[in-house]
Amino acid sequence: EDQVTQSPEALRLQEGESSSLNCSYTVSGLRGLFWYRQDPGKGPEFLFTLYSAGEEKEKERLKATLTKKESFLHITAPKPEDSATYLCAVQPPNFGNEKLTFGTGTRLTIIP
Amino acid sequence: SAVISQKPSRDICQRGTSLTIQCQVDSQVTMMFWYRQQPGQSLTLIATANQGSEATYESGFVIDKFPISRPNLTFSTLTVSNMSPEDSSIYLCSAGINRGYGYTFGSGTRLTVV
Repeated sequence: EDQVTQSPEALRLQEGESSSLNCSYTVSGLRGLFWYRQDPGKGPEFLFTLYSAGEEKEKERLKATLTKKESFLHITAPKPEDSATYLCAVQPPNFGNEKLTFGTGTRLTIIP
Repeated sequence: SAVISQKPSRDICQRGTSLTIQCQVDSQVTMMFWYRQQPGQSLTLIATANQGSEATYESGFVIDKFPISRPNLTFSTLTVSNMSPEDSSIYLCSAGINRGYGYTFGSGTRLTVV
């Protein structure tokens, strides 16, 4: 069964203090790894999809990378508005099975 | 990407009653998904809803408890039946336009059963 583990569970950073969130996964095969941002009381907001080891994607202060066993979400010079829970999810390799398996998330707090 | 309207946004219900949650997508999608997110936990898939066929339920979820309708390519409903306090949770619908290109979520329904 696919498993996704995110660490740390919670992270508090000063504004401007860069860091990384980790998502490690155990899957029989990987079609895609997804990163989402979730604000309190809202649904997850799509950030990135990564498909193969070595791939990187960037969006503003966020950069996602992928290896064969884990993904990192790097946050550079974060601002208070980056505070949210960040979720990663994996998708199995077989087309027709669109189920995403989610990790429990990292709750990020950026202190002004 | 798709935009999903989900309602109600929240509700407080008496135990033993049922609640139907609606999701409307602004474009046609093949698959829609229903998730549950319990307090402080991550998302758990309840079922996949395909237009024109019965929904596919994940282990631990049954049709009698969570009946789903998918009458067309832009709309789906999830009913939480015979509710108990253990059903208190956030329920989310999701849809994808293209396989693997990111799935959009609705804003969620916060359900409290008293």
